[in-house]
Amino acid sequence: EAGVVQSPRYKIIEKKQPVAFWCNPISGHNTLYWYLQNLGQGPELLIRYENEEAVDDSQLPKDRFSAERLKGVDSTLKIQPAELGDSAVYLCASSSGQKHTGELFFGEGSRLTVL
Amino acid sequence: DQQVKQNSPSLSVQEGRISILNCDYTNSMFDYFLWYKKYPAEGPTFLISISSIKDKNEDGRFTVFLNKSAKHLSLHIVPSQPGDSAVYFCGFLGYGKLTFGQGTILTVHP
Repeated sequence: EAGVVQSPRYKIIEKKQPVAFWCNPISGHNTLYWYLQNLGQGPELLIRYENEEAVDDSQLPKDRFSAERLKGVDSTLKIQPAELGDSAVYLCASSSGQKHTGELFFGEGSRLTVL
Repeated sequence: DQQVKQNSPSLSVQEGRISILNCDYTNSMFDYFLWYKKYPAEGPTFLISISSIKDKNEDGRFTVFLNKSAKHLSLHIVPSQPGDSAVYFCGFLGYGKLTFGQGTILTVHP
């Protein structure tokens, strides 16, 4: 069974440019998460989807970040415009719709460097 | 307001000995407590969890202990192996949200 797939793995852009990350969750997983991980820190939740509905986006900086999960499968996270402080690893994770015990399946992450 | 704290940024252990990783929390409304392991350039992977109604859960070499009165979570790895060298994150699930600690780098020396 394929795991969570993210792309691109690495992205280098100049500040004020836009960037987008894509995530394909594990088949059948209806819950999808985007996490941000800064160097030396634990992952921090940006947004959580249940199917196509964003049920928790309280930590998403909505002035420059946006996300969508059309049809409740793949998801895209966009930053526009990017700032120097956005340099981090963006992790996508998914979990099944059964009783939520905290077991998430993470992708390898997309490492963003903003110059 | 940091709800989860891993106070030891790193831990070094000899192969075959016990590794003990610790985590403290402030929120009493967590339902599950978890440990994740992360290798470089990979995403975190689930290791072991414990429900808030239990105080111990064991899975092979890994045992998680929960002390609710002290609001303390720990992970014991016995015996430690060089392949256990990774970053370990504690995680706390409450209201559907999983909150992670800052991580502890474990190095197991042969």
